[in-house]
Amino acid sequence: AQSVTQPDIHITVSEGASLELRCNYSYGATPYLFWYVQSPGQGLQLLLKYFSGDTLVQGIKGFEAEFKRSQSSFNLRKPSVHWSDAAEYFCAVVPPFGNEKLTFGTGTRLTIIP
Amino acid sequence: DSGVTQTPKHLITATGQRVTLRCSPRSGDLSVYWYQQSLDQGLQFLIQYYNGEERAKGNILERFSAQQFPDLHSELNLSSLELGDSALYFCASSAGRLPDGYTFGSGTRLTVV
Repeated sequence: AQSVTQPDIHITVSEGASLELRCNYSYGATPYLFWYVQSPGQGLQLLLKYFSGDTLVQGIKGFEAEFKRSQSSFNLRKPSVHWSDAAEYFCAVVPPFGNEKLTFGTGTRLTIIP
Repeated sequence: DSGVTQTPKHLITATGQRVTLRCSPRSGDLSVYWYQQSLDQGLQFLIQYYNGEERAKGNILERFSAQQFPDLHSELNLSSLELGDSALYFCASSAGRLPDGYTFGSGTRLTVV
């Protein structure tokens, strides 16, 4: 079945440490890929997106993501996290064919410790 | 401010009642999407409208309906409300048919008591 998976429900990292959030997808062809962030009580903010081309995508707030076709992955990274990065992160996909609805993963909650 | 406006921000209502959630898309965006976010179901796609017409349906209950008006704002109607309908309802908009960065509103938190 077509799906998007975020294997980590909750991740805790120290402030200043590096971060990698995992996202895997299962589609016949490469979907359009997105990462969103949701701060407590807030809406969803787009961090970055991948449609085609360079597999390393730069986003806002110092985030980047790397598309790896061989692994069907689109992992989100940040070299050094800040306390303000504590939030819920969602990977999302739009299939390359059919309607344009965004399908979300289950999310990864990021906790930052001092 | 994302440019997508949702009203009201909070809504508390009783079981069996009917409510209407409103969404104004970002200027120039033709597509509107409705999502429901709950603890047990996560973010679920409900329905999409494009330029006034329904384009896609997701896990939307028959008690729920939506429409997009000529000025492109959209309304989500929830009727015969149940406790399980308590959730955060998001509206998102995008520029057109091709996927782009969907812009989300800040949501309407519905509590059914």
